[in-house]
Amino acid sequence: KQEVTQIPAALSVPEGENLVLNCSFTDSAIYNLQWFRQDPGKGLTSLLLIQSSQREQTSGRLNASLDKSSGRSTLYIAASQPGDSATYLCAVFINSNSGYALNFGKGTSLLVTP
Amino acid sequence: DGGITQSPKYLFRKEGQNVTLSCEQNLNHDAMYWYRQDPGQGLRLIYYSQIVNDFQKGDIAEGYSVSREKKESFPLTVTSAQKNPTAFYLCASSATGTSTGGGYTFGSGTRLTVV
Repeated sequence: KQEVTQIPAALSVPEGENLVLNCSFTDSAIYNLQWFRQDPGKGLTSLLLIQSSQREQTSGRLNASLDKSSGRSTLYIAASQPGDSATYLCAVFINSNSGYALNFGKGTSLLVTP
Repeated sequence: DGGITQSPKYLFRKEGQNVTLSCEQNLNHDAMYWYRQDPGQGLRLIYYSQIVNDFQKGDIAEGYSVSREKKESFPLTVTSAQKNPTAFYLCASSATGTSTGGGYTFGSGTRLTVV
């Protein structure tokens, strides 16, 4: 069964720092990987989608990389701001016994302090 | 603007009652999904539907039921058989449920509490 792990579970940094969130998955047979942001009590907002054939995607201060062979993805946030405080979720799109669906990690809770 | 609408935002259920959570999308997406989120456990798939009039069980389907009579709508019923229904429920859609794997769009969620 595909397992998705996110490290660290929680992170606190001062404003302005660059930071890296890690995601690992046990089965490299993924179709794509997606990073989401979730604010408390809210739904998920898609940040970046990386297809299995791609190595990275960038959007503004965010950069996500994908290494399928090693089962790893990283989300890099440059020049962090207090507004970046949220939970960041990594999910892989797979074909499992339950069919085609996203399989989620438990998230990294990020706090950026002024 | 296109998106997914979940209602209600908050829902309270008495013991033994069935309740239905609404999910509507105007993105013209074929596939729709229901996830449950509990603290510290991440999101778990309840049911999904790749096409109208068809749906499949996810990892934790027991105590839940769904229907997909229209492309835009995928309501979730939490039945009295669901022993621990208190959770945050998220609906999502994607352009396709197959391996071409388009990105997902999520609704804003429904928080269900048993009273």
